[in-house]
Amino acid sequence: SYVLTQPPSVSVAPGQTARIPCGGNKIGSKRVHWYKQKPGQAPVLVVNDDSDRPSGIPERLSVSNSGNTATLTISGVEAGDEADYYCQVWDFSSDHPGVFGGGTKLTVL
Amino acid sequence: QVQLVQSGAEVKKPGASVKVSCKAAGYTFTNYYIHWVRQAPGQGLEWMGMINTNDGITSYAQKFQGRFTVTRDTSTTTVYMEMYSLKSEDTAVYYCARPDSDSDDFWSGSYSAAFDYWGQGTLVTVSS
Repeated sequence: SYVLTQPPSVSVAPGQTARIPCGGNKIGSKRVHWYKQKPGQAPVLVVNDDSDRPSGIPERLSVSNSGNTATLTISGVEAGDEADYYCQVWDFSSDHPGVFGGGTKLTVL
Repeated sequence: QVQLVQSGAEVKKPGASVKVSCKAAGYTFTNYYIHWVRQAPGQGLEWMGMINTNDGITSYAQKFQGRFTVTRDTSTTTVYMEMYSLKSEDTAVYYCARPDSDSDDFWSGSYSAAFDYWGQGTLVTVSS
């Protein structure tokens, strides 16, 4: 089955830029979605389809996707950005088409 | 506004079954699929399966085939997921989620929708 790999944790100081990678075989050919989840809450879509941000999501969040790595970039990190972030794709070559990365805990120092 | 409201927490013994509901409101129910995603304690998200709310056709991850069923009731705009032969490893929060597209065909092989609305989650605890 298709595997998405994320680092367990990323730490950044307030005001700095956080980059959260999501690795997968030829992920650059797929549409990658990103979710933010705070403790005890349901996930929230923050970026879909490679670059679309739902209403209310700040422009500080951007994505890139090429080759075997997609990256969520959060500029000017704020305390409220601290959360778990998950990437997600669809891969119908396997028997488990909905695929999430393992998640990355973003810590704001 | 779009809402997905799930039923309350459940505690079950190993080998039992559980049925969780997800009531949809604020949009045309039969225009959007509903997916189920679960999250074990301290773990990541895991896609389980989905239902076409228009015709009731389902698709499940192979891992859950035979032990997981999704149904819907269009008269009450509610989707149900049922798991059988529960094990301790099934202890998790179960979420229903709606995709952001009402035209993307899951069976086309090029489905690429994101989940833009989620239920609040239902904790299912399996313990003897």
